[in-house]
Amino acid sequence: NAGVTQTPKFQVLKTGQSMTLQCAQDMNHEYMSWYRQDPGMGLRLIHYSVGAGITDQGEVPNGYNVSRSTTEDFPLRLLSAAPSQTSVYFCASSPVAGLSYNEQFFGPGTRLTVL
Amino acid sequence: AQSVTQPDIHITVSEGASLELRCNYSYGATPYLFWYVQSPGQGLQLLLKYFSGDTLVQGIKGFEAEFKRSQSSFNLRKPSVHWSDAAEYFCAVALTGGFKTIFGAGTRLFVKA
Repeated sequence: NAGVTQTPKFQVLKTGQSMTLQCAQDMNHEYMSWYRQDPGMGLRLIHYSVGAGITDQGEVPNGYNVSRSTTEDFPLRLLSAAPSQTSVYFCASSPVAGLSYNEQFFGPGTRLTVL
Repeated sequence: AQSVTQPDIHITVSEGASLELRCNYSYGATPYLFWYVQSPGQGLQLLLKYFSGDTLVQGIKGFEAEFKRSQSSFNLRKPSVHWSDAAEYFCAVALTGGFKTIFGAGTRLFVKA
């Protein structure tokens, strides 16, 4: 049971490049989410999904796209990277039932630098 | 708007001393409250949570937290800190009936020998 996995661990992009951050979970969790972590700002929700084919925006969705074609995978796409997207990105998952009080399980993070 | 405030950006505690990390929230309904810990280079791990019942909750690694509705607080405590507790600690509130969790900015704990 690997839990939540993220790839890559580190990535450097040039402004305007695109890339996809991968996230997968093997716990059959319906809820998955992406956060970015910036110094002094904690974690901010980018996008989330409550099941395959269902996604919604979080607090800071601009510049990011997501899709959810399977229960296991929830990739985050940066279509045209900007320096403001330099951050550490975390993927998390949780069972939907009783979501409000369920623990979220976090991946190890992807550190992204945009030059 | 809902918010979570952790007033202390960083705290330094001597090993063996007691610890209290502060958390205040702003939310109209009964909150679901969490404390997570992030060790260097790692993802977040749940320490404990509160959603009803006894206002003093026990968590892993010897941590506890007390929910005080009158003060809108959910402070984290540990009676004796170990060097391995050095990490960043996040308080969070989950919005009832929704799918969003709001995190505080975090408090970084340093432990000195």
